[in-house]
Amino acid sequence: RKEVEQDPGPFNVPEGATVAFNCTYSNSASQSFFWYRQDCRKEPKLLMSVYSSGNEDGRFTAQLNRASQYISLLIRDSKLSDSATYLCVVKMGTNAGKSTFGDGTTLTVKP
Amino acid sequence: DAGVTQSPTHLIKTRGQHVTLRCSPISGHKSVSWYQQVLGQGPQFIFQYYEKEERGRGNFPDRFSARQFPNYSSELNVNALLLGDSALYLCASSLESGTGWYEQYFGPGTRLTVT
Repeated sequence: RKEVEQDPGPFNVPEGATVAFNCTYSNSASQSFFWYRQDCRKEPKLLMSVYSSGNEDGRFTAQLNRASQYISLLIRDSKLSDSATYLCVVKMGTNAGKSTFGDGTTLTVKP
Repeated sequence: DAGVTQSPTHLIKTRGQHVTLRCSPISGHKSVSWYQQVLGQGPQFIFQYYEKEERGRGNFPDRFSARQFPNYSSELNVNALLLGDSALYLCASSLESGTGWYEQYFGPGTRLTVT
């Protein structure tokens, strides 16, 4: 079983739709969590950190559920420019320098 | 300010050869991490360095090694290249190391092809 698991999708949604991605992690000692976005053949770019209280940045909302060991990302009012792969990232309590990435969820927003 | 830079951008090598990839972090960042990304998968952690010391190591063979220099730049070395080493190699820099909320910023990567 992978340490960080994501539904690979693809998610195909129309512009204006609301879409949600989930990510589960296996190590209960995990301490910090992030969402990154990666465009085709480009480097990952930080989208947002995921704090225990949850956080919101414009159309994007991230939530953390430590009891169930999952992280979610909600995108409201989808834009064509949101089309990308979304990567969930977890940093463990041990091996402090290691960040573990999921394999990503692909989103395509269509006109 | 300049972001994370990596060189070269593309590289073609043959099996058995050696390769050195280079990374310069964002100014002021002391931590550099290396990742390997194959098509269809997320980046896989190889190493993290902080203040020239190794702080983390992923599940990669000893053919992979790295180091960090006093100016915080870093090199990733891969010996005895295999076809399976073909991937995008990403470097990421962050202010600090550890399990805190230290955000990583990625360079554009080096695309290595082994033939």
